[in-house]
Amino acid sequence: KQEVTQIPAALSVPEGENLVLNCSFTDSAIYNLQWFRQDPGKGLTSLLLIQSSQREQTSGRLNASLDKSSGRSTLYIAASQPGDSATYLCALGSNDYKLSFGAGTTVTVRA
Amino acid sequence: SAVISQKPSRDICQRGTSLTIQCQVDSQVTMMFWYRQQPGQSLTLIATANQGSEATYESGFVIDKFPISRPNLTFSTLTVSNMSPEDSSIYLCSVSVLGGYEQYFGPGTRLTVT
Repeated sequence: KQEVTQIPAALSVPEGENLVLNCSFTDSAIYNLQWFRQDPGKGLTSLLLIQSSQREQTSGRLNASLDKSSGRSTLYIAASQPGDSATYLCALGSNDYKLSFGAGTTVTVRA
Repeated sequence: SAVISQKPSRDICQRGTSLTIQCQVDSQVTMMFWYRQQPGQSLTLIATANQGSEATYESGFVIDKFPISRPNLTFSTLTVSNMSPEDSSIYLCSVSVLGGYEQYFGPGTRLTVT
């Protein structure tokens, strides 16, 4: 069974600082990895999807890397803003489309 | 991508009653799923909603408690039956669009059982 761990559980940074969020997983036989953002009491917003054959994906200030051999993914958010405050979830996808989620990292960006 | 709506957005229900949650997608999708997010926790997959056939449930979830329907490619319902306070959660549906593995989530239904 895939185990997904996200460290740290919470992070507080001043505005403008770069964010580094970590996700580790136990089974390297993944199909893809997806990063989501969740605002309090809301649904999930898809940020980036990395296929198992890819090493990284970029979208604007966001960059996600994937290292299957070490079972790790990192989400970088450059020049953080108060609007980036949210919980960030990583999820490992299998070939039957099912997702295994980590517990998330709650980010607070202080103005 | 896909635009997903859920009804109701929230509800407060009494113990022993049932609630049906609707999930509507703006385009035909291949896969639809139902997840549960208990307070302070991450998401857990309940079941895969199969179009025209019985849903496929994950370990720990049963059809009698969480009956699911999917009559077509854009709509699904999840019923939470004989509710108890432990069923208080956010329930989310998600979809994968044709030809892709990226998943999109609805806004969720916040259920409180008293």
